Amino acid sequence: DAGVIQSPRHEVTEMGQEVTLRCKPISGHNSLFWYRQTMMRGLELLIYFNNNVPIDDSGMPEDRFSAKMPNASFSTLKIQPSEPRDSAVYFCASSRTSGGNNEQFFGPGTRLTVL
Amino acid sequence: DAKTTQPNSMESNEEEPVHLPCNHSTISGTDYIHWYRQLPSQGPEYVIHGLTSNVNNRMASLAIAEDRKSSTLILHRATLRDAAVYYCILRDVRNAGNMLTFGGGTRLMVKP
Repeated sequence: DAGVIQSPRHEVTEMGQEVTLRCKPISGHNSLFWYRQTMMRGLELLIYFNNNVPIDDSGMPEDRFSAKMPNASFSTLKIQPSEPRDSAVYFCASSRTSGGNNEQFFGPGTRLTVL
Repeated sequence: DAKTTQPNSMESNEEEPVHLPCNHSTISGTDYIHWYRQLPSQGPEYVIHGLTSNVNNRMASLAIAEDRKSSTLILHRATLRDAAVYYCILRDVRNAGNMLTFGGGTRLMVKP
């Protein structure tokens, strides 16, 4: 298996532009998670999906952030408009079930820089 | 989920055992203890988890105190590749989601 795939790996954009981050979870996994990592705040959960349905988006910073999962093999995290404080590494992770203790598999992350 | 406390950093010599401690004095009976690690410039990866009994796998061992208020991740022979941030996380099995709440973790440095 290729693991969790994220694209792009690096993104540099200017303030005010729309940014779309993409994630392909591991086949057969039915839970998907978006995390953000910064030096100041560490790793934070933004939102997670179970069977393509958003379950908890309490970590989404504000209305500029939105996430979708149109099918079991694809999810997007969109920031519109982007701001310099959104600069971070964004990780996508997937797991086999939403309950229990099945491990989460993380992608390599997207490093976002907003100028 | 209950909170964990870990030292900010630790040092080890290559090929020596490493014991990474984690305190979780408010752990509940339904909390599993999970360990993940994050190598430089990579996403976190699962290491091991347990409930009450000590656990072993190919990566590490997990020793859980009898009262479950603390645990120790044991790397039997540290290599340079083990230099990473190690996160100790409690997961309540009753929670509907499989969310992980990451703290600051312990940054392990391995000296050759």
